[in-house]
Amino acid sequence: DTAVSQTPKYLVTQMGNDKSIKCEQNLGHDTMYWYKQDSKKFLKIMFSYNNKELIINETVPNRFSPKSPDKAHLNLHINSLELGDSAVYFCASSPGLRREQYFGPGTRLTVT
Amino acid sequence: GENVEQHPSTLSVQEGDSAVIKCTYSDSASNYFPWYKQELGKRPQLIIDIRSNVGEKKDQRIAVTLNKTAKHFSLHITETQPEDSAVYFCAASNNDMRFGAGTRLTVKP
Repeated sequence: DTAVSQTPKYLVTQMGNDKSIKCEQNLGHDTMYWYKQDSKKFLKIMFSYNNKELIINETVPNRFSPKSPDKAHLNLHINSLELGDSAVYFCASSPGLRREQYFGPGTRLTVT
Repeated sequence: GENVEQHPSTLSVQEGDSAVIKCTYSDSASNYFPWYKQELGKRPQLIIDIRSNVGEKKDQRIAVTLNKTAKHFSLHITETQPEDSAVYFCAASNNDMRFGAGTRLTVKP
């Protein structure tokens, strides 16, 4: 009965590869997010989807592309991975904008 | 866009003492201010939140105060315990959520 789940939990890959991280929420929320947490623990929003529509697209490289097949899923696809992409990526969901967010367990991405 | 500043970056207290973390925000349209606790290797979890129509909110040992005029809000933890040790994040939200840089709280037994 996990509320927000992400797969995989750990991802180790080489520079130049393409990878995806999956996120699912079973809370019936309308809004989902992707955050990047770097080694200094700073939480930076990357994308936000509300009712399957992108409403925030922060200044992230276009190598990152979110895909939302339905309200319960928001996947993150990353092309041509770089060393600087190494971080923990958190998915989150909320009942709507300006509401409490529930985070997934995180995916630790290591690019070698 | 919104900019949230959080202080201090690290805080060490003795068990039983109080801890205070302060944040300021820039967007006067922000009206939702949550606080998250992140333990080592875990996900951020909401511990308390406040909306702009409220000046103070309390939940057991945790309280949050908001000064809309000055655009700052604070987290107060009383009677701290070792299990309160974690990184705490403030955030401010208009249509998007912006997080502070975090405060690493250490409670020494």
